[in-house]
Amino acid sequence: QLVESGGGLVQPGGSLRLSCEASGFTLNQYWMNWVRQVPGKGLVWVARISGDGSTINYADSVKGRFTISRDNSKNTVYLQMTSLRGEDTAIYYCTKRMSPNLALVLYDKYYYGMDLWGQGTTVTVS
Amino acid sequence: EIVMTQSPLSLPVTPGEAASISCRSSQSLLHSNGYNYLDWYRQKPGQSPQLLIYLGSYRASGVPDRFSGSGSGTDFTLKISKVEADDVGVYYCMQALQIPRVFGPGTKVDIK
Repeated sequence: QLVESGGGLVQPGGSLRLSCEASGFTLNQYWMNWVRQVPGKGLVWVARISGDGSTINYADSVKGRFTISRDNSKNTVYLQMTSLRGEDTAIYYCTKRMSPNLALVLYDKYYYGMDLWGQGTTVTVS
Repeated sequence: EIVMTQSPLSLPVTPGEAASISCRSSQSLLHSNGYNYLDWYRQKPGQSPQLLIYLGSYRASGVPDRFSGSGSGTDFTLKISKVEADDVGVYYCMQALQIPRVFGPGTKVDIK
């Protein structure tokens, strides 16, 4: 399972660090993503990080303000959020996606979707 | 950035009947490996999203065979052969070909 934490109320311009603790699987075999959702609205992809942390990508809306990282020894992925804005207010979900090599072994395909999502943690910027 | 659209945005359904959701992308999602990088997710009320379909037409583990995905290039369809009351929720398509990942606006499925 994936369990997010670290959400809360923060003032504009402030910072917050979200954590996503994984259990039940070997974290380094999975790409990890953060996806956010304003309550009642749609899903928005925020960032991703490869299993070994060597590849990182961000949505333009958070680039330069958010940093995704991981500590496989602690089975945890992080999202450091700085210079927070009102439009960052959302539920933040952590998701996992198996590496292409693992997907190939298990499903004979180089890709398998985001097959596990956490329950989400709420960030309110106000 | 690839733009994703879905139709309809709201879909009232009758249990036992079939339902269909369309998803379109502004660019082809067909990879050079021959697969379409398109996922379908369902978000039940009050829950986190769950993966239904990956690579356009492959059911995720544990997903009932009532759900099927089809399409190629820019046009995709999610079909539910016999809708059950538990199928209510919002269904999203997502392109997985390029960064940034982009979700469609969602289709809300509810029971008539």
